[in-house]
Amino acid sequence: AQSVTQLDSQVPVFEEAPVELRCNYSSSVSVYLFWYVQYPNQGLQLLLKYLSGSTLVKGINGFEAEFNKSQTSFHLRKPSVHISDTAEYFCAVSQLPLYNTDKLIFGTGTRLQVFP
Amino acid sequence: EAQVTQNPRYLITVTGKKLTVTCSQNMNHEYMSWYRQDPGLGLRQIYYSMNVEVTDKGDVPEGYKVSRKEKRNFPLILESPSPNQTSLYFCASSSKGNTEAFFGQGTRLTVV
Repeated sequence: AQSVTQLDSQVPVFEEAPVELRCNYSSSVSVYLFWYVQYPNQGLQLLLKYLSGSTLVKGINGFEAEFNKSQTSFHLRKPSVHISDTAEYFCAVSQLPLYNTDKLIFGTGTRLQVFP
Repeated sequence: EAQVTQNPRYLITVTGKKLTVTCSQNMNHEYMSWYRQDPGLGLRQIYYSMNVEVTDKGDVPEGYKVSRKEKRNFPLILESPSPNQTSLYFCASSSKGNTEAFFGQGTRLTVV
């Protein structure tokens, strides 16, 4: 079985500062890894995903994440945040292959609050 | 525009009164799922469907029913809602072999 741990429930940061949102996972099989963002009163939007290949993945809005197999981590980073990045961020995993189910296992979420 | 549409967005109901939350996708996706989102718990899968007439339980199926009579629609049915089903619900869809799930805008349900 897979599980996802997001180590910080809230991350306050000032505008233009760098940010890292941490995500660790556990799985006995290979997985796909995802970061989703949820803006207030909206659904979830895919930020980026790791399937295979390069361990550094770039996503939308200037975010990137690095897959570290030895540490089973998939931390999300942005070098300079903007007020509009204020949202809840979810790390998720799914088991390979996907053709038996589309199930995503989500972490509990990290609320990023960007202050002016 | 490719999208997953849920209705209603907000719903307040009383204990025991049957309700249905609709979900429709226009991307011809095979897979559809329902999740509930609760503070501190993230999103948990309720039910999923791999294709028409094929449904199965997720992690928290108790108190819910689903049906998949058409490929585009996947309604969530609460036969006798209880206060512990007060939550934010999301429908999602994806295509077979694809790695991206598309989510609806969410339905905030309050059961009093």
